[in-house]
Amino acid sequence: DAGVIQSPRHEVTEMGQEVTLRCKPISGHDYLFWYRQTMMRGLELLIYFNNNVPIDDSGMPEDRFSAKMPNASFSTLKIQPSEPRDSAVYFCASRNKSFREGREGYTFGSGTRLTVV
Amino acid sequence: RKEVEQDPGPFNVPEGATVAFNCTYSNSASQSFFWYRQDCRKEPKLLMSVYSSGNEDGRFTAQLNRASQYISLLIRDSKLSDSATYLCVVKGGTSYGKLTFGQGTILTVHP
Repeated sequence: DAGVIQSPRHEVTEMGQEVTLRCKPISGHDYLFWYRQTMMRGLELLIYFNNNVPIDDSGMPEDRFSAKMPNASFSTLKIQPSEPRDSAVYFCASRNKSFREGREGYTFGSGTRLTVV
Repeated sequence: RKEVEQDPGPFNVPEGATVAFNCTYSNSASQSFFWYRQDCRKEPKLLMSVYSSGNEDGRFTAQLNRASQYISLLIRDSKLSDSATYLCVVKGGTSYGKLTFGQGTILTVHP
């Protein structure tokens, strides 16, 4: 099992440019989550999908952020236009609906470190 | 008030020391509780779940007090490899199980 795969690992872009982050969840996992981590705010949930359908996007900071999941094996998080305050590590995580209460945990990808200059 | 609050740290302890982290959560409907570990520039990884009766995994002991909405993690006989950020994590009462993370506590174990 390759785990949750994110790309790119690092992204440096200029303010105003479009940025697309990618995620491949673990096969068979039907929940996918996008988190953002900064020093100031810690880990924040941006959006999550269940069976490819966006369920809760209340954590998306503003309209510049959008996320899609066209199929069970792929999701994107897009920022357009990007701003310096978007600089953060973006994590994708997936989990299976079948779990034993109290023992369930997510599997996180390695993250994308985004720097907007 | 933050949903999950942790000791700010950082904690700097010598090898072999015992160290304890505390955490409080605000949502009384929270269902499940976890401690995650995050190494520098890495993703968070599940360290252990926290059960109502308290549980132990080797040198690590987790406690939960639902009445006080308080969670703790005790690390005995600290090792250099325990140096990391420890995240207190609470799972909501809804079926999808949103995880809410504390800010994390940095632990450095020195020789």
